[in-house]
Amino acid sequence: AQKVTQAQTEISVVEKEDVTLDCVYETRDTTYYLFWYKQPPSGELVFLIRRNSFDEQNEISGRYSWNFQKSTSSFNFTITASQVVDSAVYFCALSDIGGRRALTFGSGTRLQVQP
Amino acid sequence: DTGVSQDPRHKITKRGQNVTFRCDPISEHNRLYWYRQTLGQGPEFLTYFQNEAQLEKSRLLSDRFSAERPKGSFSTLEIQRTEQGDSAMYLCASSSNMDRELFFGEGSRLTVL
Repeated sequence: AQKVTQAQTEISVVEKEDVTLDCVYETRDTTYYLFWYKQPPSGELVFLIRRNSFDEQNEISGRYSWNFQKSTSSFNFTITASQVVDSAVYFCALSDIGGRRALTFGSGTRLQVQP
Repeated sequence: DTGVSQDPRHKITKRGQNVTFRCDPISEHNRLYWYRQTLGQGPEFLTYFQNEAQLEKSRLLSDRFSAERPKGSFSTLEIQRTEQGDSAMYLCASSSNMDRELFFGEGSRLTVL
């Protein structure tokens, strides 16, 4: 069975601080995909990034960066110089490589960025 | 707007009533998923369709729940004899065979009184 753990329930930072959201996963599959989604107050889940288990290269996109470490089963997400608009709930998710492709989500981390 | 759309966005009903939610996926997407999200939790998988075929149902989907996608385009999720425990956000997502990520709608929030 697959499982995703986001131990941080809520994080509050002041604007311009850097913040890291942790994600630890469990799977018996040797090949899988990892994702991060953002859920603003409007409710729609917005896709941020996908990573496959073959590729442990870290990725940076603007103020966002992701650190994938297969050895520790972690896929952490860092926001540099946070902004108020980053306030949202962030979900880490895992899917298998097979045909189903359904995602298993963590319980989310609520990020509040104070001005 | 060509994203996933869901209707209604909010539904308040009394216990025991039936409710139906509709999802219109992104037009070229053949895969469609239903998820349920309760307060403070991540979305939980309910069921998925490839074209018109319902290929998997979670054990969360009790006999009171039924989902259809008759022509492989829009889908409906019906809950019969609603219970207070059914109160949640019902999320629809779609993807194509080329995608690994799912594209979500804004959800339909159900409140059962």
